[in-house]
Amino acid sequence: DTEVTQTPKHLVMGMTNKKSLKCEQHMGHRAMYWYKQKAKKPPELMFVYSYEKLSINESVPSRFSPECPNSSLLNLHLHALQPEDSALYLCASRAGGTRRGEQFFGPGTRLTVL
Amino acid sequence: DAKTTQPNSMESNEEEPVHLPCNHSTISGTDYIHWYRQLPSQGPEYVIHGLTSNVNNRMASLAIAEDRKSSTLILHRATLRDAAVYYCILRSANAGGTSYGKLTFGQGTILTVHP
Repeated sequence: DTEVTQTPKHLVMGMTNKKSLKCEQHMGHRAMYWYKQKAKKPPELMFVYSYEKLSINESVPSRFSPECPNSSLLNLHLHALQPEDSALYLCASRAGGTRRGEQFFGPGTRLTVL
Repeated sequence: DAKTTQPNSMESNEEEPVHLPCNHSTISGTDYIHWYRQLPSQGPEYVIHGLTSNVNNRMASLAIAEDRKSSTLILHRATLRDAAVYYCILRSANAGGTSYGKLTFGQGTILTVHP
């Protein structure tokens, strides 16, 4: 299984809502990532988890709260978002061994904030 | 993070080879050169990576200049399914491991393949 799954595929939320994005992989990867991609722009790194510990936070506003409950699962909790946070949110995990460095990306969750 | 420079767009005809260039003049000795592509409405997909020597896999070839200041991704026979944004990325492999394999995407090259 070489797949990263993300749910939901689409999410519409109001500025006062609380929602969560979910990412799952069963490849045994110990590094997982959240990226944000605005329309017609490249992905931008938000967070990196390594061995379930938050290792990099690229100065992301606190209305985005990541969580890594176990080595297979990565969540992104959303609260009090702004319309400019509307974007495609991508999750990725990283291989080790001979495929070290290769990141596997999920299809993303397309978020719209009203 | 060292930066890469790619053409904004390129065009190719189906079944012809495509050479996608990337300049990375500030590359450091421990930076790996990665290529990813993103098809419409999908997440990025790993294509190939290398350090110093040319690399081949089932998807593409990577030619790295001797001074490592530039590289070229080669698609040997373009198909319509190769139409995507291609990203050339330098990934630090610093000894301390503090980069955690992070990828810093540039603007990429939009490849259009004509039937």
